[in-house]
Amino acid sequence: EVQLVESGGGLVKPGGSLRLSCAASGFTFSNAWMTWVRQAPGKGLEWVGRIKSKRDGGTTDYAAPVKGRFTISRDDSKATLYLQMNSLKTEDTAVYYCTRGGPEGTYFDYWGQGTLVTVSS
Amino acid sequence: DIVMTQSPDSLAVSLGERATINCKSGQSVLSSYNNNNYLAWYQQRPGQPPKLLIYWASTRESGVSDRFSGSGSGTHFTLTISSLQAEDVAVYHCQQYYTTPITFGQGTRLEIK
Repeated sequence: EVQLVESGGGLVKPGGSLRLSCAASGFTFSNAWMTWVRQAPGKGLEWVGRIKSKRDGGTTDYAAPVKGRFTISRDDSKATLYLQMNSLKTEDTAVYYCTRGGPEGTYFDYWGQGTLVTVSS
Repeated sequence: DIVMTQSPDSLAVSLGERATINCKSGQSVLSSYNNNNYLAWYQQRPGQPPKLLIYWASTRESGVSDRFSGSGSGTHFTLTISSLQAEDVAVYHCQQYYTTPITFGQGTRLEIK
């Protein structure tokens, strides 16, 4: 059974940092393109960024609002995805979901339960 | 960026009736390379993460009820629920994965009339 379990959310002040983790199981993590998607309270879904599998280059892509502030990484030996968030802004407040991409990172076939990040003074 | 626009924003349908949700993309998401539409639909029940329903515009994910179907091509797509059940109350999202940034529609809230 595929499982994605996020952790690391919480309350942080504007300008602060936070690192989210996503522990994966039930599939070959190293072969998967992984993505972070967020959802602000009462709002729609927003793609944050993705990381390709190492066999496909291991490169990352980011949404414009987070580029230069957020970094996605992976540890295939631990089957874990990370999202390092720096210089946080109040508009980064959201539930952050870890997702697995379909073939070549297309649609998202599995989602974690999400972790809430609140940026407030 | 490809803008995805859903209509309506909310919808109330009687149990057993058909529900139709539309999604329009700002540019075509049909690939001339493989003739696939890079369009997915998700269901998000209250307090839950999204769940994949449909990908490649019309392929139903394994385990999804056959009451759900997707259609359309190019820039106009439709999600149809053939006979509404109580458990279908949710927000439905369309998503294009043709190019990055991957983008979603604003969501359509489906309720029981």
